[in-house]
Amino acid sequence: SQQGEEDPQALSIQEGENATMNCSYKTSINNLQWYRQNSGRGLVHLILIRSNEREKHSGRLRVTLDTSKKSSSLLITASRAADTASYFCATPQEYGNKLVFGAGTILRVKS
Amino acid sequence: NAGVTQTPKFRVLKTGQSMTLLCAQDMNHAYMYWYRQDPGMGLRLIHYSVGEGTTAKGEVPDGYNVSRLKKQNFLLGLESAAPSQTSVYFCASSPGTGRSPLHFGNGTRLTVT
Repeated sequence: SQQGEEDPQALSIQEGENATMNCSYKTSINNLQWYRQNSGRGLVHLILIRSNEREKHSGRLRVTLDTSKKSSSLLITASRAADTASYFCATPQEYGNKLVFGAGTILRVKS
Repeated sequence: NAGVTQTPKFRVLKTGQSMTLLCAQDMNHAYMYWYRQDPGMGLRLIHYSVGEGTTAKGEVPDGYNVSRLKKQNFLLGLESAAPSQTSVYFCASSPGTGRSPLHFGNGTRLTVT
């Protein structure tokens, strides 16, 4: 069963706009990770946020985590055509031995 | 460093045939994983390994077997391929438990006819 579920399933925006993707999960976690997948490629790790952190930044990426609501969001600011990809959240299970992924959000940035 | 390398990149099998997918990593990672990715389903864990000589089942292990004889290699076998196993298969590795990010290969696209 999938731990994380992303919302929306697909998002289309203009270059320069901000993109926000949300992730909800079911069980308690000690961290949550976000990954990007370009078409035809493997996933690439973007950012990890620990359960005791509420917000984390990396370049144009901002991730928030609300453990009381069991949800996280990924904000990409000033989007570029190169940001077009699928984005996945992932959470550890079984004492961290397994990482479980959501179904992903497909982001299209139009130039 | 090559990172995580998967071979082959593409394969077409007939129902009932067998094959082995090879994953190799050169980062000395302890943990390795096999996922399958289907449209609208995200990634689902097939099997994983927390060290040389050890393997464990994931969410969807039926129809697959794995072996981790060497730390750097993780093999995924299909003994009798079925059309339901048509998918893109990804291998990943990580240094340790769920606090470490996963490093992915670029996938093997398998079609079973």
